[in-house]
Amino acid sequence: GEDVEQSLFLSVREGDSSVINCTYTDSSSTYLYWYKQEPGAGLQLLTYIFSNMDMKQDQRLTVLLNKKDKHLSLRIADTQTGDSAIYFCAEEDASGGSYIPTFGRGTSLIVHP
Amino acid sequence: DADVTQTPRNRITKTGKRIMLECSQTKGHDRMYWYRQDPGLGLRLIYYSFDVKDINKGEISDGYSVSRQAQAKFSLSLESAIPNQTALYFCATSVGQGTDTQYFGPGTRLTVL
Repeated sequence: GEDVEQSLFLSVREGDSSVINCTYTDSSSTYLYWYKQEPGAGLQLLTYIFSNMDMKQDQRLTVLLNKKDKHLSLRIADTQTGDSAIYFCAEEDASGGSYIPTFGRGTSLIVHP
Repeated sequence: DADVTQTPRNRITKTGKRIMLECSQTKGHDRMYWYRQDPGLGLRLIYYSFDVKDINKGEISDGYSVSRQAQAKFSLSLESAIPNQTALYFCATSVGQGTDTQYFGPGTRLTVL
């Protein structure tokens, strides 16, 4: 079965870079996602990467994918206090047509001033 | 106006009571989902529906039932609530193809005493 693992907490100082890591088990995953959950709100898509890519950059966000090791990371440059949230990694296998994502447990990012 | 809305936002109920959580969407998506979120456990899928006539069990469907009244509405019921159903419940929608981003509602915080 599918399994997505993340560490539960990450604490960084404002202005530093944050790196949130995720490992997954389904080698047939087509898309991998990062969602952000701010306090008191639902999840919102931050970014995604297609499985045939190894890197994607979007402003302060960099997603790295190592398919061989089934490892996904999200780097946030110049982390701000507003980046404090829970970040969820998710994998989705599109090959069977179901597109049901499997979410990790979420990493709570705490940004200190 | 929010694309995915949930009612109620907060609910306190007693063990044994029947309770219904409602979800409405204006995104025109065929696919709708119910998740529960518990601290340290991340998001777990309860039920999902690919269209009005389609209902599927997720990872943790025991003790829950759903109704898809229309494309825009998907309700979650707890027939006889128990304390370990205390959690944050999220409804989500998706298109069902390509980068199948999930769009989440704001959540319903349910407490069962």
